[in-house]
Amino acid sequence: GAVVSQHPSWVICKSGTSVKIECRSLDFQATTMFWYRQFPKQSLMLMATSNEGSKATYEQGVEKDKFLINHASLTLSTLTVTSAHPEDSSFYICSASIMGLGSNQPQHFGDGTRLSIL
Amino acid sequence: RKEVEQDPGPFNVPEGATVAFNCTYSNSASQSFFWYRQDCRKEPKLLMSVYSSGNEDGRFTAQLNRASQYISLLIRDSKLSDSATYLCVVAYTDKLIFGTGTRLQVFP
Repeated sequence: GAVVSQHPSWVICKSGTSVKIECRSLDFQATTMFWYRQFPKQSLMLMATSNEGSKATYEQGVEKDKFLINHASLTLSTLTVTSAHPEDSSFYICSASIMGLGSNQPQHFGDGTRLSIL
Repeated sequence: RKEVEQDPGPFNVPEGATVAFNCTYSNSASQSFFWYRQDCRKEPKLLMSVYSSGNEDGRFTAQLNRASQYISLLIRDSKLSDSATYLCVVAYTDKLIFGTGTRLQVFP
């Protein structure tokens, strides 16, 4: 069964709207979560590493004021795309690191959120 | 140069065929290696880890050559359900670096 839940799975909204995406770890505590973005026919690109109780670490080229990350609890990280524009339309995926918890997988992924900005 | 490079394909093969995918990575300090499978509009799912000694899981065989910084995946007796994009993934510290993926289409 799923160990990481992501919501919503699909968002369509007008340009200028802010969109919040939630990523929850189920039945385990995730001190570290990751946010990725994937454009059509491209690879998953890491946007930022979200650490519980501290500021997120953003990858080069990712605007931290545009993509707000909050990891206020050990089971929830949120990504808010502020004032979204059509070029922000993409597939956003979160994952949780569960190394050391008896899993052979480095990260478990949420189902992803397809964001379409009109 | 991309950190993880793969031939994007597509590879179009008939059922029962054997197909091989290759991948190269640039960071010699990379620590762990994986093949993921991604279906259209879905999240990636771990197919198998890759070890220097080579490892096999049913019809799938993965190989790692650290000296050449090269990873391979062999699929034997292809099934229609194998049609997907195969992502070569390299881990450094706790980060995963994804290749762009190789598209496989198996036809009847």
